[in-house]
Amino acid sequence: DIVMTQFPDSLAVSLGERATINCKSSQSVLYSSNNKNYLAWYQQKPGQPPKLLIYWASTRESGVPDRFSGSGSGTDFTLTISSLQAEDVAFYYCQQYYSTPITFGQGTRLQIK
Amino acid sequence: EVQLVESGGGLVQPGGSLRLSCAASGFTFSSYSMKWVRQAPGKGLEWVSYISSSTSTIYYADSVKGRFTISRDNAKNSLYLEMNTLRAGDTAVYYCARERFPYSGNFYAIGYWGQGTLVTVSS
Repeated sequence: DIVMTQFPDSLAVSLGERATINCKSSQSVLYSSNNKNYLAWYQQKPGQPPKLLIYWASTRESGVPDRFSGSGSGTDFTLTISSLQAEDVAFYYCQQYYSTPITFGQGTRLQIK
Repeated sequence: EVQLVESGGGLVQPGGSLRLSCAASGFTFSSYSMKWVRQAPGKGLEWVSYISSSTSTIYYADSVKGRFTISRDNAKNSLYLEMNTLRAGDTAVYYCARERFPYSGNFYAIGYWGQGTLVTVSS
């Protein structure tokens, strides 16, 4: 099984500042045949289902503000929020869909400082 | 507009059974692989099961293999999860989820999620 590890577990950032969440997979999720990283990021607010932010590690989903960006390849990935807004307070999860079992990181709680 | 509406959750005793349903609308259901993902109270996300668009490929998490059965009825635009021999550890909100892109043999990120249905296993 591919283990996904996020860090930090919790993060407090001032409004307007940059927030960075990291995700490491126990093995590469890069498919050499199509050069795509099978890595997604989701945002989940209390009482709501998760929402897709980023797929293929760096492709922003339609309608997601451009302050959200994803980067990385192979086993190391980063979700960056360039200028934190109050509505970004949430849990964030990375997920690999390279192979089954499909696995998620443990989640990162993002709060306002 | 894509909609996924789960139903069938509730309180069940350990060892009991439950059948979850997910009614899909707003897209060509038969073209997409579907998943069930669960979230225990206050915990993270756990993938449960996957079914391809034509049901040719099915996968389960080890934690539910042999106890849960995923199925779909493309004529009724519906996804199901039959859960047997339920345990306290199965207590969670169960989400029906659609992949981001139509089936092509690859896995994709989850593009849409239902609101979830709560399953509570307790005596």
